[in-house]
Amino acid sequence: GAGVSQSPSNKVTEKGKDVELRCDPISGHTALYWYRQRLGQGLEFLIYFQGNSAPDKSGLPSDRFSAERTGESVSTLTIQRTQQEDSAVYLCASSFLAGAITGELFFGEGSRLTVL
Amino acid sequence: KNEVEQSPQNLTAQEGEFITINCSYSVGISALHWLQQHPGGGIVSLFMLSSGKKKHGRLIATINIQEKHSSLHITASHPRDSAVYICAVRFPLAGNQFYFGTGTSLTVIP
Repeated sequence: GAGVSQSPSNKVTEKGKDVELRCDPISGHTALYWYRQRLGQGLEFLIYFQGNSAPDKSGLPSDRFSAERTGESVSTLTIQRTQQEDSAVYLCASSFLAGAITGELFFGEGSRLTVL
Repeated sequence: KNEVEQSPQNLTAQEGEFITINCSYSVGISALHWLQQHPGGGIVSLFMLSSGKKKHGRLIATINIQEKHSSLHITASHPRDSAVYICAVRFPLAGNQFYFGTGTSLTVIP
């Protein structure tokens, strides 16, 4: 597609339920990032995928959070047993990266998660 | 230590004013990005810089590699420029993560 696509755009769930958020990056972008943005706050890094390398999971806040990416395409962020503090906008971004060469960073519109 | 600092944190300007937002970083970078986020909106990439200066419409971005400093300028500011502006860098010796400034919240009053 023309841009980074995320779904769902809005998700309301009950505490304790699992949720799955999807990101479809720009075709050809090797790097994919997940960020969390709480209301009025900055971007919090969650996880990074680059090509077929092992993902950088250093930002995942707990073992309830996991993410997968199939090759250089779609990524899914899964939050198990959601808690109210998980309520935030989850943003996906993609970029072309090859060694020290960095392309522009493109963001999706985000998935707004509300945990009741 | 890999750090990115932005200033000011908040900025209010009258329509038509010239605006400058600053970004400083601690060590050498491979590229610097300026991003814009409107209230309740998504994040848009404005510029990617590794040297010199870029211009797009009323927006100008400059970077001084030696001083580890970048500025984003808005000429003839307009209320629609009201947004949060975020500086992001990638440190080549720190993996491929992006490091973000805390953002500058700009309000342009008509």
